[in-house]
Amino acid sequence: KQEVTQIPAALSVPEGENLVLNCSFTDSAIYNLQWFRQDPGKGLTSLLLIQSSQREQTSGRLNASLDKSSGRSTLYIAASQPGDSATYLCAVRTGGSYIPTFGRGTSLIVHP
Amino acid sequence: DTAVSQTPKYLVTQMGNDKSIKCEQNLGHDTMYWYKQDSKKFLKIMFSYNNKELIINETVPNRFSPKSPDKAHLNLHINSLELGDSAVYFCASSQGSGQETQYFGPGTRLLVL
Repeated sequence: KQEVTQIPAALSVPEGENLVLNCSFTDSAIYNLQWFRQDPGKGLTSLLLIQSSQREQTSGRLNASLDKSSGRSTLYIAASQPGDSATYLCAVRTGGSYIPTFGRGTSLIVHP
Repeated sequence: DTAVSQTPKYLVTQMGNDKSIKCEQNLGHDTMYWYKQDSKKFLKIMFSYNNKELIINETVPNRFSPKSPDKAHLNLHINSLELGDSAVYFCASSQGSGQETQYFGPGTRLLVL
């Protein structure tokens, strides 16, 4: 059974810092991995989707990498801003079933 | 021009009642999902439909019954509500059933008293 762990559970940083959020999964036979952002009281917004054949994806200040063999993905946020404050979730789709398994998220606060 | 919409946004009801949550997507996607997010923010898939056909049915009580009248709609009906059903329920959609990005609705906050 796929298990997804996100570390750290919470993070508070001053504006301008570069951040790394971690996501690890137990079954490396994945189909893809997706990073989401969830603002308080809102739904999830997709940030980046990495297929199992890819190593990384970039969008603006965000860069997500995938290392299937070690069961890890990282989300790198460059030059963090207060508007980046949210909970970041990763979701893994395991090959064959396509059932997405979510981590519990990293709650990020970027203070001015 | 909301992509994935849910109604109602908030639902407060008594134990034992029956309630429905509606979801609609205007993205032309083939696949729709229902997720439950508990009080500890853990998000777990409940159901998935592809072209009105059930393809994922995780272990949920049979008091929960999804209904897809067409591929743009996936409604969730809950019978005999229990206290433990209190959660946020999210609808989502994607173009296909595996590879594609999922788009989420704003959520329905259900409180059972």
